[in-house]
Amino acid sequence: GESVGLHLPTLSVQEGDNSIINCAYSNSASDYFIWYKQESGKGPQFIIDIRSNMDKRQGQRVTVLLNKTVKHLSLQIAATQPGDSAVYFCAENGGYDNRDDKIIFGKGTRLHILP
Amino acid sequence: NAGVTQTPKFQVLKTGQSMTLQCAQDMNHNSMYWYRQDPGMGLRLIYYSASEGTTDKGEVPNGYNVSRLNKREFSLRLESAAPSQTSVYFCASSSGGSGTGELFFGEGSRLTVL
Repeated sequence: GESVGLHLPTLSVQEGDNSIINCAYSNSASDYFIWYKQESGKGPQFIIDIRSNMDKRQGQRVTVLLNKTVKHLSLQIAATQPGDSAVYFCAENGGYDNRDDKIIFGKGTRLHILP
Repeated sequence: NAGVTQTPKFQVLKTGQSMTLQCAQDMNHNSMYWYRQDPGMGLRLIYYSASEGTTDKGEVPNGYNVSRLNKREFSLRLESAAPSQTSVYFCASSSGGSGTGELFFGEGSRLTVL
């Protein structure tokens, strides 16, 4: 069915190491993908996005990689900090009826930073 | 700068009662959304409105109705609440248009149905 899913529900990373959070999507018609961060008790916050005509996009300490061949998306966080502890969601637009404004979220990965 | 404001923040209902969650944004955004978030389930789209005067079903619309009252406001109504609707509800808005995924979220409304 219509889904944007994640490989791992929880990821533990040593402070200062790089984190990689993965996401699989099922709708090959989706052309826009977004990563969100949600801290406890708050609404999600936009991190970075990428269009399907790109395979890599960089932000401040974050990089998103898109592999359309295998329908896989990843978020890389460099030099992970305690403030990066949160749940991370990937999202896509369109869904199966390919509506640009219909933003569908995956289940999320909890990132836990080890001291 | 308020952003997206949701009311109420907390609500307890009995099965069968009705209620409306209110949402307003002050960013002149075209698109507005209602999501629900259950533990371990991520956010699921209930309804969205790509522009004033239009509404569309999301992934889990059953048991809900929405009204895009004007450009600023998008309400979510539960006509006959059920325990399965116990959840945290988030309203969001975006400027909309082709694949603009930067949604701005409210703080959430925690609903418990007994």
